[in-house]
Amino acid sequence: GIQVEQSPPDLILQEGANSTLRCNFSDSVNNLQWFHQNPWGQLINLFYIPSGTKQNGRLSATTVATERYSLLYISSSQTTDSGVYFCAVEFGANSKLTFGKGITLSVRP
Amino acid sequence: ETGVTQSPTHLIKTRGQQVTLRCSSQSGHNTVSWYQQALGQGPQFIFQYYREEENGRGNFPPRFSGLQFPNYSSELNVNALELDDSALYLCASSSRTGVNTEAFFGQGTRLTVV
Repeated sequence: GIQVEQSPPDLILQEGANSTLRCNFSDSVNNLQWFHQNPWGQLINLFYIPSGTKQNGRLSATTVATERYSLLYISSSQTTDSGVYFCAVEFGANSKLTFGKGITLSVRP
Repeated sequence: ETGVTQSPTHLIKTRGQQVTLRCSSQSGHNTVSWYQQALGQGPQFIFQYYREEENGRGNFPPRFSGLQFPNYSSELNVNALELDDSALYLCASSSRTGVNTEAFFGQGTRLTVV
């Protein structure tokens, strides 16, 4: 099946710093989503981005489908950005999502 | 708020028992998918329901079963619970009509098997 790899696995930042989270995938995909999982387990939608670039406030994302990777940029990080970030891809005929293992981000004040 | 609601939020069961988890999909969505997330891992696909029929299944045994109702809400049933079934169970709502298949998740049900 399709492989999804996220890097780095853990990231520690000082408040105000910028960061780049990476997602590599092993095959062509129909869909790619970025999520932030809060401490209570809820997956919060950040971006639906099968290709191209999108921005939402301090966050932006780029997917280069032909090279099979996506990047999530966080600028001017805040302590509330802490948590686990997941990349998930949809591959093939059905719309199931295959998740990476996640990136744990800690933003320190 | 995603519009996807799951119940209950927490549950404790004894090994060997059966459990039913529920999910209400977002308005306008016709597809519900279930995922299991073990501690420290990414969510794993269990199965998907579209138009009240199972439409894809992950690597889970038959004791994991489900239903989808005419209003697109869904149930996940797990029989003969094992300790390893302890996990966060997530329901995702999406639409298979049109190009946009963005999935939205409920808050999850945290199941503990003792």
